[in-house]
Amino acid sequence: AQKVTQAQTEISVVEKEDVTLDCVYETRDTTYYLFWYKQPPSGELVFLIRRNSFDEQNEISGRYSWNFQKSTSSFNFTITASQVVDSAVYFCALRGRDDKIIFGKGTRLHILP
Amino acid sequence: DAGVIQSPRHEVTEMGQEVTLRCKPISGHDYLFWYRQTMMRGLELLIYFNNNVPIDDSGMPEDRFSAKMPNASFSTLKIQPSEPRDSAVYFCASSDRDRREKLFFGSGTQLSVL
Repeated sequence: AQKVTQAQTEISVVEKEDVTLDCVYETRDTTYYLFWYKQPPSGELVFLIRRNSFDEQNEISGRYSWNFQKSTSSFNFTITASQVVDSAVYFCALRGRDDKIIFGKGTRLHILP
Repeated sequence: DAGVIQSPRHEVTEMGQEVTLRCKPISGHDYLFWYRQTMMRGLELLIYFNNNVPIDDSGMPEDRFSAKMPNASFSTLKIQPSEPRDSAVYFCASSDRDRREKLFFGSGTQLSVL
């Protein structure tokens, strides 16, 4: 069975600090896809990144970076120099061979001014 | 592209009433997913369809819940009878046949069962 665990329920940091959101997944599939979504206070779900299981290169997009490690089944997300606008709930998700897409329970991030 | 369209945006009903949530996926998308979001459980997958056929409904909580996709451009999620514990935000999402493709989410339906 597939599973996504986001152990951090809620995190608070002061603006300009770096913060890492953890995501650990379980799957027996050799081919799968991992995603991160952001849900700001307005409620919509915003796509951030997609990564396939064969590509372990880390990715950086502005202040955002992602670290994918198959050896530890983790796909962690780091925000550098956090800003108040980064306050949101962040979800990690897994899509397996059966195309079922499951989400972790989310991490609520508070960036304090 | 209009995106995934859900209706209504908000629904308030009384316990025991039937509730029907509606979703129009993005044209050309082959997959449609229904999720329920609560504080306790996060985003739970209820059911998903491929080419209008239900593939996995193991997340549907009880027989009170049913979902249909009569054609490629429309899906419904019905709760009958509704209960207060069904109160949640219900999201519909669609995706292209390419498994690499991300999900496109609707704006959600905020359901309150009194």
